[in-house]
Amino acid sequence: AQTVTQSQPEMSVQEAETVTLSCTYDTSESDYYLFWYKQPPSRQMILVIRQEAYKQQNATENRFSVNFQKAAKSFSLKISDSQLGDAAMYFCAYLEYGNKLVFGAGTILRVKS
Amino acid sequence: GAGVSQSPSNKVTEKGKDVELRCDPISGHTALYWYRQSLGQGLEFLIYFQGNSAPDKSGLPSDRFSAERTGGSVSTLTIQRTQQEDSAVYLCASSPWTGNTGELFFGEGSRLTVL
Repeated sequence: AQTVTQSQPEMSVQEAETVTLSCTYDTSESDYYLFWYKQPPSRQMILVIRQEAYKQQNATENRFSVNFQKAAKSFSLKISDSQLGDAAMYFCAYLEYGNKLVFGAGTILRVKS
Repeated sequence: GAGVSQSPSNKVTEKGKDVELRCDPISGHTALYWYRQSLGQGLEFLIYFQGNSAPDKSGLPSDRFSAERTGGSVSTLTIQRTQQEDSAVYLCASSPWTGNTGELFFGEGSRLTVL
């Protein structure tokens, strides 16, 4: 079974600084998707960024970027110029075609002003 | 509506009672998921519906839990004889089809408290 591991239960970052959240996963497949979702206190899960495994180029969405290392099965999220609104719980997730989305345990991100 | 709708938003029940949680997915979405999130924890997969295929029930924690999806749209998650450990937020999500972008659209969840 696929597993997703987030080894950082909690992280803190100063406003305007950069922070990196870690994620590793385990799979025997070659084609899959990886995601970072954000869950603010309102509970609504929001997609932050998506990476397709067959694409070598790292995905970027404004201040959010990933470092995708397929051989190492690593998928970290970098948040640049952190803002107070970035404070939330962040989940890494893995999806195989036609299968269920598997989430990591999450990382709480605190942003200090 | 434009998004995934879940009801009730909050439910308080007594131990031993049955509860039903409802999810109304985005129109046209063929995939529907239920997840459970205990306080401050990650998302635990419960069940997954994809079109007319048999649902993946591998995440249901016990036979007290069941779910159905009528007409390929609305889904109901039923918990019988609730226990205190069932207290959690139950999240529903839908997707056009998982082989496309893979993005799931989540509802705001139903918070269940079992006294």
